Amino acid sequence: AQSVTQPDIHITVSEGASLELRCNYSYGATPYLFWYVQSPGQGLQLLLKYFSGDTLVQGIKGFEAEFKRSQSSFNLRKPSVHWSDAAEYFCAVANNNDMRFGAGTRLTVKP
Amino acid sequence: DSGVTQTPKHLITATGQRVTLRCSPRSGDLSVYWYQQSLDQGLQFLIQYYNGEERAKGNILERFSAQQFPDLHSELNLSSLELGDSALYFCASSVTDFSYNEQFFGPGTRLTVL
Repeated sequence: AQSVTQPDIHITVSEGASLELRCNYSYGATPYLFWYVQSPGQGLQLLLKYFSGDTLVQGIKGFEAEFKRSQSSFNLRKPSVHWSDAAEYFCAVANNNDMRFGAGTRLTVKP
Repeated sequence: DSGVTQTPKHLITATGQRVTLRCSPRSGDLSVYWYQQSLDQGLQFLIQYYNGEERAKGNILERFSAQQFPDLHSELNLSSLELGDSALYFCASSVTDFSYNEQFFGPGTRLTVL
């Protein structure tokens, strides 16, 4: 069965610092991979997605993610974090209409 | 605003009761998904409908059921409610049933079972 692991439950970074959120998946083939963000009291919003092609994917709000097949990882990055990036971030895996989400990583941004 | 609407926003009920959550997808979207988000289980996929027909099933309990109507809105019915059913229930919609399509999430319905 496919699964998603986000090893970090909570990360704190200073505003302006770089960010990397980790995501590992378990699946026989390359599934569809997604990163969603959930701001407090709101639904999820898609940041970016990947299935094939260039392994570095650009998303909205200045985020990017890199797919590494050898490590079964799809880590999310941002070069300079803004206070408005404070939110919960979810990595997700989908195949045949079965979407699995990771447990989420809560990002706190220090002034 | 994602264009997906969910009603009600909050629902408080008692154990053993039955409730219905409603979702209206974005205009033009044919697929509707239901998710449950709780502190202990995280975000779990429940069920998907596409153009009125059930397309995929996730971790949905037998006490729960859903349907999608001809106007494409969807309802999630939760019966014989238990304390553990307290959670945030999200509806999402997408254009087709293709897994790679972006899903647009509604604001959620917070269910509290007392």
